[in-house]
Amino acid sequence: QQPVQSPQAVILREGEDAVINCSSSKALYSVHWYRQKHGEAPVFLMILLKGGEQMRHEKISASFNEKKQQSSLYLTASQLSYSGTYFCGTLGGSGGYQKVTFGIGTKLQVIP
Amino acid sequence: DAGVIQSPRHEVTEMGQEVTLRCKPISGHNSLFWYRQTMMRGLELLIYFNNNVPIDDSGMPEDRFSAKMPNASFSTLKIQPSEPRDSAVYFCASSSPLAGGTDTQYFGPGTRLTVL
Repeated sequence: QQPVQSPQAVILREGEDAVINCSSSKALYSVHWYRQKHGEAPVFLMILLKGGEQMRHEKISASFNEKKQQSSLYLTASQLSYSGTYFCGTLGGSGGYQKVTFGIGTKLQVIP
Repeated sequence: DAGVIQSPRHEVTEMGQEVTLRCKPISGHNSLFWYRQTMMRGLELLIYFNNNVPIDDSGMPEDRFSAKMPNASFSTLKIQPSEPRDSAVYFCASSSPLAGGTDTQYFGPGTRLTVL
């Protein structure tokens, strides 16, 4: 099943913070976060593994709550370059089969 | 490395015509994925190859779609006959396994397909 992302869209002013959530109805082995700028391909941000630590990419960090089958992406002191659509991808089961199912995405716009 | 290469970048065709999309994965990567992206459905996995062998094609919409990977450096996605509802951006991605059994997917620039 496709993971559910929230919110679907958010507008921030430069310097503000935001949280994007990703939840699944299935037990998760890992959560992948990607960012896609308009007209470009998705680009990998980070992977969170079951039992692993919180990850960070520049001023963007993420956590993974295995019990709740949820992950959250934290964007701190947002910059104009953060604008884009953020996708979470979930890998369920034992992780031996490399199929990642992506959410519909969260569109983030940072304005001056 | 040049990254994942896709061609063409844009394709406009008429309903009923055959369309072939091409992908060259990153050298050394042993997994290849074809995705379709639309506003309504987001990123959908169409087919996944591992070591040139199709592992999961459950996402292929119907028999009009077919994909091949004749060798480690080339894959094609073919639509025959094409229909207007096939209009989307098609991405190819490749990956290689990391310790722990998970991997990062590197996406190509995509092919924007318009079927009139």
